[in-house]
Amino acid sequence: DSGVTQTPKHLITATGQRVTLRCSPRSGDLSVYWYQQSLDQGLQFLIQYYNGEERAKGNILERFSAQQFPDLHSELNLSSLELGDSALYFCASSTTKEGGTEAFFGQGTRLTVV
Amino acid sequence: ELKVEQNPLFLSMQEGKNYTIYCNYSTTSDRLYWYRQDPGKSLESLFVLLSNGAVKQEGRLMASLDTKARLSTLHITAAVHDLSATYFCAVDIRGYYDKVIFGPGTSLSVIP
Repeated sequence: DSGVTQTPKHLITATGQRVTLRCSPRSGDLSVYWYQQSLDQGLQFLIQYYNGEERAKGNILERFSAQQFPDLHSELNLSSLELGDSALYFCASSTTKEGGTEAFFGQGTRLTVV
Repeated sequence: ELKVEQNPLFLSMQEGKNYTIYCNYSTTSDRLYWYRQDPGKSLESLFVLLSNGAVKQEGRLMASLDTKARLSTLHITAAVHDLSATYFCAVDIRGYYDKVIFGPGTSLSVIP
């Protein structure tokens, strides 16, 4: 158990809909990352938050948005869903210490758009 | 823009054989990580390499880091079927904020 909790584990929804994925980072971790993993695109970095602020953006579509709340949990909002958005969405959290930045991953949310 | 590349992307090897997976990155970093992912599962941290020349070993896997060459290797010794998985390297970008960028992954299949 990495200590990173993602909910829900599975989500099936229709095209055009909107969903929210939730992530609770490990206790004390300030950074939260969101990744999308699909068969054709591999593991794609979407966005990173650090202590409530957006710090880095990757290949995140405009239909997607995220935020990190004061209690450090994060949500990834996906709207106007398309079939191609079907993927495994991972959240990871990390804290930088002298020993480096090790990211710990949640179990992922498998999104299926039908 | 930081690029993290892995070679090969797909690897099929026989049990008992040795092989090396390579990870190249395009910017200065002295911190590199290796992760393992089983199909449909999450990513599991394998190694944390923190300095030039760092070498770590766990069972049949050994990872090393050459920061001058911007290269890390993951060496597999006498492969067994249980090692079949996808292996990712990830580079830690130093700065005011921490950032970890992943390579595309190497899908390893060990066949009897």
